[in-house]
Amino acid sequence: GAVVSQHPSWVICKSGTSVKIECRSLDFQATTMFWYRQFPKQSLMLMATSNEGSKATYEQGVEKDKFLINHASLTLSTLTVTSAHPEDSSFYICSASQRAGYNEQFFGPGTRLTVL
Amino acid sequence: GENVEQHPSTLSVQEGDSAVIKCTYSDSASNYFPWYKQELGKRPQLIIDIRSNVGEKKDQRIAVTLNKTAKHFSLHITETQPEDSAVYFCAASPSGYSTLTFGKGTMLLVSP
Repeated sequence: GAVVSQHPSWVICKSGTSVKIECRSLDFQATTMFWYRQFPKQSLMLMATSNEGSKATYEQGVEKDKFLINHASLTLSTLTVTSAHPEDSSFYICSASQRAGYNEQFFGPGTRLTVL
Repeated sequence: GENVEQHPSTLSVQEGDSAVIKCTYSDSASNYFPWYKQELGKRPQLIIDIRSNVGEKKDQRIAVTLNKTAKHFSLHITETQPEDSAVYFCAASPSGYSTLTFGKGTMLLVSP
């Protein structure tokens, strides 16, 4: 149980284009989903927290107009990187929590984004 | 907000030795402390966690200890094997919130 999927697993795009990444909880309803970014040899950095049906809460320094997050249902959250640039190339990982205030998070397999 | 420090950043051991990774946290309200193992290009995998109402937890070769007074917790791996080689992250989460704050990670290398 508690499986989270992510799609696509990798994507290569040209600078200036937008990329959408999907995160799905397959066998549970996720009240809260999280988006992380991980650069090579670094830790996971939380970008934003999203709750179903409400606006995402972004961490300091993360541009909300560049990283659009939509948590449309209890099983799906999407991250759209708008006008991507090479410095946005990174490993993006989502996670989901089964209920509000419940600490344990279940991680997706990640999406490798490369912007040329 | 919460700040989690993790040491060492790299750790090399011989197969069969024990490995210890230490973390400290700053927020006394934190009450959930998971440890994740991440292999290159893969998702973090939860290997063990502990909550603030216990001081130690074991699962076969892995154990975690927590000292709430000193605000530090440690991961202990005994009888290490080459397949234990990976990056290990500690994290902390405050009571009532799902948000995790991660340490910077420890690259563990177990040599045969």
